[in-house]
Amino acid sequence: GQNIDQPTEMTATEGAIVQINCTYQTSGFNGLFWYQQHAGEAPTFLSYNVLDGLEEKGRFSSFLSRSKGYSYLLLKELQMKDSASYLCAVTDSNYQLIWGAGTKLIIKP
Amino acid sequence: DAMVIQNPRYQVTQFGKPVTLSCSQTLNHNVMYWYQQKSSQAPKLLFHYYDKDFNNEADTPDNFQSRRPNTSFCFLDIRSPGLGDAAMYLCATSRETSGFTDTQYFGPGTRLTVL
Repeated sequence: GQNIDQPTEMTATEGAIVQINCTYQTSGFNGLFWYQQHAGEAPTFLSYNVLDGLEEKGRFSSFLSRSKGYSYLLLKELQMKDSASYLCAVTDSNYQLIWGAGTKLIIKP
Repeated sequence: DAMVIQNPRYQVTQFGKPVTLSCSQTLNHNVMYWYQQKSSQAPKLLFHYYDKDFNNEADTPDNFQSRRPNTSFCFLDIRSPGLGDAAMYLCATSRETSGFTDTQYFGPGTRLTVL
């Protein structure tokens, strides 16, 4: 079966750095998305990786290794507003989007 | 601002009473999606439209139906809501289906409560 694994919950301190991992087992690969979702709100797009390597966008970076079926989202200089769930989603070879359940990130002062 | 709009934001219905959720978009995107999301779970795709071409996910219950009368609007009908249908319903759009490789833009969601 197809599966996306993310930690259920993580805690970090304001101003620090946190890395949220995502591993996937899918039938093929056509890209990986990271979305941010605040409680009770809709997901918003953060990043898209289709090639190996690191994509940097301000305080957020996303890394992909296709050979390892692995991605991470790196958040720097954490702010209280970064408290949210972070969803990993992968497009498989049948061009279906498989979603992870998300990682709830709690930021403490 | 171009956006995806969902109405209402909160909907309360009674067990078995039909309900319709609406979504509109000003992004002029070809593809529209309906997702169901329960607490701490991944979004579950119910339907998607590429233009007016309707695509039903294999495991979407018959209790759920959808309409897209034009490019801008899409509706989700729940014919006989059960307690298990209480969830957040998310509408999303993307420019082209491109096999789900396009970024999806989400509306704020409608939280459905079934009494």
